[in-house]
Parts: sequence; structure tokens; C-alpha cells
Amino acid sequence: GESVGLHLPTLSVQEGDNSIINCAYSNSASDYFIWYKQESGKGPQFIIDIRSNMDKRQGQRVTVLLNKTVKHLSLQIAATQPGDSAVYFCAENYGGSQGNLIFGKGTKLSVKP
Amino acid sequence: GAVVSQHPSWVICKSGTSVKIECRSLDFQATTMFWYRQFPKQSLMLMATSNEGSKATYEQGVEKDKFLINHASLTLSTLTVTSAHPEDSSFYICSARRYGRSSYNEQFFGPGTRLTVL
Repeated sequence: GESVGLHLPTLSVQEGDNSIINCAYSNSASDYFIWYKQESGKGPQFIIDIRSNMDKRQGQRVTVLLNKTVKHLSLQIAATQPGDSAVYFCAENYGGSQGNLIFGKGTKLSVKP
Repeated sequence: GAVVSQHPSWVICKSGTSVKIECRSLDFQATTMFWYRQFPKQSLMLMATSNEGSKATYEQGVEKDKFLINHASLTLSTLTVTSAHPEDSSFYICSARRYGRSSYNEQFFGPGTRLTVL
């Protein structure tokens, strides 16, 4: 069943600073990882993904780092903007192309102007 | 491309009634669609996996007789919450896996449906 009464971890940054959001994943066999952004009342929005045979991938203003040794994933956002304020979830894919996504707990990013 | 829609975007119903939520892939075919539930300040929890033309696979703890899933075509899956109660109030999100593309589990998410049961 679901846990109740949880509070999302919050990261508060100043506009223009870099943000780093961390995630620990569960399964050593997970082969694909995705970061999603979710704004209030909306569905998850794809940000960036990385496959398990890589340790770093860069997008526009975002970088994902994968450390399989310690099962850790991070999302770096450069020059954070107010529009980046949202909840960020990591997800791991377990079971290959026919598998399921397992979502992390999420981190709320607040950007102060 | 790869747009997923949900209808309705929000619904309020009385306790004991049934509510149907639709999930459509607008510009691609989806052999598999997923239904998630999200409570406030919590993460997405997978409820069930829906495959076109076959029975859905439910996660542990999800009642299949309460949450009826139908995946009648490659672009439409429906979730019916039967005899809804206030504890079913939640944000329901679907996703779709594109048919024949990618060796990885690439899912595209809908905008979600807010269900409030009075």
C-alpha cells in the first residue's frame, strides 16, 4: 500500500545558480533511467534519459550522471530559471523493453528570483 | 509526436458511482499502456499494465474488480473505477509505450485525471 504523510525533499536555489538533484535507485539490473519534471496538476514531462552502458549524458542545460557502482543517478540543471520550479522524479526501467518503470520519491525544486 | 491525452482532466463524483477515464495515444500506436496513481506529495505508483487485446496485469494490492481496464485498440485504453469511495480520490496518470520502436521502455505520459469522490 501507499505510504501516507510523506513530505517531498525540497531543494531551494537562487535563479541563475546550478541545481543538482539526486536519486538512489533500487535494482542493479535496471538498464534505462529517465528524469521527469512534473508541474502541479500535470503529468510527468520527459527531461532526459540515459542507458546503463553510459555514465553521463548531456542535453540542453541538463546533464544526467549515472553511477552504477552505488546505484546513484543525478540531474544537473545549469543556470536554473523560475520555470524550472517543479517536482523532479527519477525512474528506473526494470525488465528490459517489456519492463516497468519504477519511480523514485521525487524532489521539489524551488527557484527564487 | 508521441502525444498522449486523457479524458476527463478532472471529475467529481458521488460515493458509490463508477467513473471511466480514457487514455489515448494521438499520433502513434501503443501496444502497451500503463495506469499510475499518484497521491498528494507522493510518487507515481504503477497500478496495472494494459496490453491491447488481452487482460491487464495488475500490481500487487490493486483490486482488479475495482479498477477495470480495457485496451480495445492500439490507441485507446480505459480505466473504470467502480463503486468509487473517497479513498479512491487521487490523480490518475496513464502512459503509452510506442509500438515497434526502441529497444528500451520508452513511455509517453498523459496529462493526468484528477478524481475526487465525495
